[in-house]
Amino acid sequence: ETGVTQSPTHLIKTRGQQVTLRCSSQSGHNTVSWYQQALGQGPQFIFQYYREEENGRGNFPPRFSGLQFPNYSSELNVNALELDDSALYLCASSHGLAGDVGELFFGEGSRLTVL
Amino acid sequence: SQQGEEDPQALSIQEGENATMNCSYKTSINNLQWYRQNSGRGLVHLILIRSNEREKHSGRLRVTLDTSKKSSSLLITASRAADTASYFCATASSGGSYIPTFGRGTSLIVHP
Repeated sequence: ETGVTQSPTHLIKTRGQQVTLRCSSQSGHNTVSWYQQALGQGPQFIFQYYREEENGRGNFPPRFSGLQFPNYSSELNVNALELDDSALYLCASSHGLAGDVGELFFGEGSRLTVL
Repeated sequence: SQQGEEDPQALSIQEGENATMNCSYKTSINNLQWYRQNSGRGLVHLILIRSNEREKHSGRLRVTLDTSKKSSSLLITASRAADTASYFCATASSGGSYIPTFGRGTSLIVHP
């Protein structure tokens, strides 16, 4: 148990719809990172939030957006869903900038299916 | 794009044998981490090795890092069926925003 919780665990959407995924960080962690993992692939970095500010973004279009709240929980929003957005979305929290200070603590993920 | 690449993509061994996975990367790193993922679940951190370290141990795990060859290896000794999972290396590039970037992983199957 990492203390990182994600919701919902599974969801099905149709192409063109919008989705919001939520993540509660482990207590004391001020950094949240979001990753997309397609079947059989490694996690792809979407973006990272540090103390409510975006701190780095991967190669994802602007329809992927995010927020971090004062309690350090976070949301990932995806607009105009495409079939290729079907994946496991992973949230990870850390104290400070993960690549500098150490490990990421992952939630169990949100499995998104786009039909 | 993915910074680290694991090799082999898949590994099948018998319980009790050792499992070795390798990771190669392209740019200078601040640290390298290994994670484990059971099917469809979240990733679990195993071990972190910094760029100025050459070897680290944690229980049955041994990680080496060769920065001159830009490569790392993860050795699991005396493997168990419960070690069946996918294993990923994640590199955090130096001089950048220190965001861990994952490879495609090695799928390990340990037969009882």
